[in-house]
Amino acid sequence: DAGVIQSPRHEVTEMGQEVTLRCKPISGHNSLFWYRQTMMRGLELLIYFNNNVPIDDSGMPEDRFSAKMPNASFSTLKIQPSEPRDSAVYFCASSPEVFNEQFFGPGTRLTVL
Amino acid sequence: AQKITQTQPGMFVQEKEAVTLDCTYDTSDQSYGLFWYKQPSSGEMIFLIYQGSYDEQNATEGRYSLNFQKARKSANLVISASQLGDSAMYFCAMTPWGGGFKTIFGAGTRLFVKA
Repeated sequence: DAGVIQSPRHEVTEMGQEVTLRCKPISGHNSLFWYRQTMMRGLELLIYFNNNVPIDDSGMPEDRFSAKMPNASFSTLKIQPSEPRDSAVYFCASSPEVFNEQFFGPGTRLTVL
Repeated sequence: AQKITQTQPGMFVQEKEAVTLDCTYDTSDQSYGLFWYKQPSSGEMIFLIYQGSYDEQNATEGRYSLNFQKARKSANLVISASQLGDSAMYFCAMTPWGGGFKTIFGAGTRLFVKA
């Protein structure tokens, strides 16, 4: 069975550009999570969805960040415009239900120059 | 406020010995789940073990066990018979069932297994 799929695995962009990160959760999982990991702040939950509906986006740092889940098999995290401080590893995770263990994708390493 | 504290930034253990990684948590919720994840140097996050707040017995998964002391709000991970492949970052996490099931992670403990 395929795990959580994220693309791209690496992204290098210039400040001010739009960045879109993509995630395909495990089939049958009802909950999807977006995390950001940095050395300074550790692992932070940005937003999570349950049954495609955003439940808590209080971790989204600024209005420059947005996330969508148009269907059960796809989600995007968009940063527009990007800034150097957005450089981090972004993980997508899914779980059968919101209170279960989470299965993480391989992450997207974002570098904003 | 919900909080996870991992007080050991780094730990060393001799191969084949047992090691305990500490985790304390703070929550006002009565119902919650506690999790441990492993992050090897390759970067992926791997689920290890789960403990529910109402579970009376400590969780075990192979060489992993969770020493759950509810009154002390601690959920320490015990790894028995350490292997070189256990060298990694270990994160404790909590999902409170009230207030929207928002998962929080501790800062992590880096474990080094010596041959």
